[in-house]
Amino acid sequence: DAGVTQSPTHLIKTRGQQVTLRCSPKSGHDTVSWYQQALGQGPQFIFQYYEEEERQRGNFPDRFSGHQFPNYSSELNVNALLLGDSALYLCASSWGSGQKTQYFGPGTRLLVL
Amino acid sequence: DQQVKQNSPSLSVQEGRISILNCDYTNSMFDYFLWYKKYPAEGPTFLISISSIKDKNEDGRFTVFLNKSAKHLSLHIVPSQPGDSAVYFCAASGSGGSNYKLTFGKGTLLTVNP
Repeated sequence: DAGVTQSPTHLIKTRGQQVTLRCSPKSGHDTVSWYQQALGQGPQFIFQYYEEEERQRGNFPDRFSGHQFPNYSSELNVNALLLGDSALYLCASSWGSGQKTQYFGPGTRLLVL
Repeated sequence: DQQVKQNSPSLSVQEGRISILNCDYTNSMFDYFLWYKKYPAEGPTFLISISSIKDKNEDGRFTVFLNKSAKHLSLHIVPSQPGDSAVYFCAASGSGGSNYKLTFGKGTLLTVNP
């Protein structure tokens, strides 16, 4: 049973660039959530996708956008990167109808120089 | 405004003893609580959860207690093992049809000494 997978594992970008992170949910899950974890902090909710639509969004600017594909995989896009976007980006999956437990992938470490 | 608080940044216990990790919350709309364990360079791993209709849930060495009146929950690990050394995050989810996000505390670093 494959768990949540994310790619790439690490990424280095410069200010102003754009980045795309990818996530495949756990087998049987149809919902994908994205979180940002800064050093020394807990994960912060960015948004959640269900049925290819953004279902809920956290307090992140419009530079952060996403997409969910028919196979339930998802992408997180960040435009106009800032130094403060350097963080671990975590994808979590769950089953859409009422399941509250989310299962996390290993994350993508983004460094913005 | 931090709605989920883990006031102890770190905890050190001896192997075989009990580890107690604490978590407080302020949002009375939270109705589901989870504990995750995180090793360096890995994503958080789900450990155990509890619904607000219960006050205790057990799974092997892990027990979570919920005190709704105090808005407090705790994770007990008995007996503690060196492999339990990790950062533990408390998380909460709200009630209502449009609340799907998890709100996390800052985590507690548990060190279990052999």
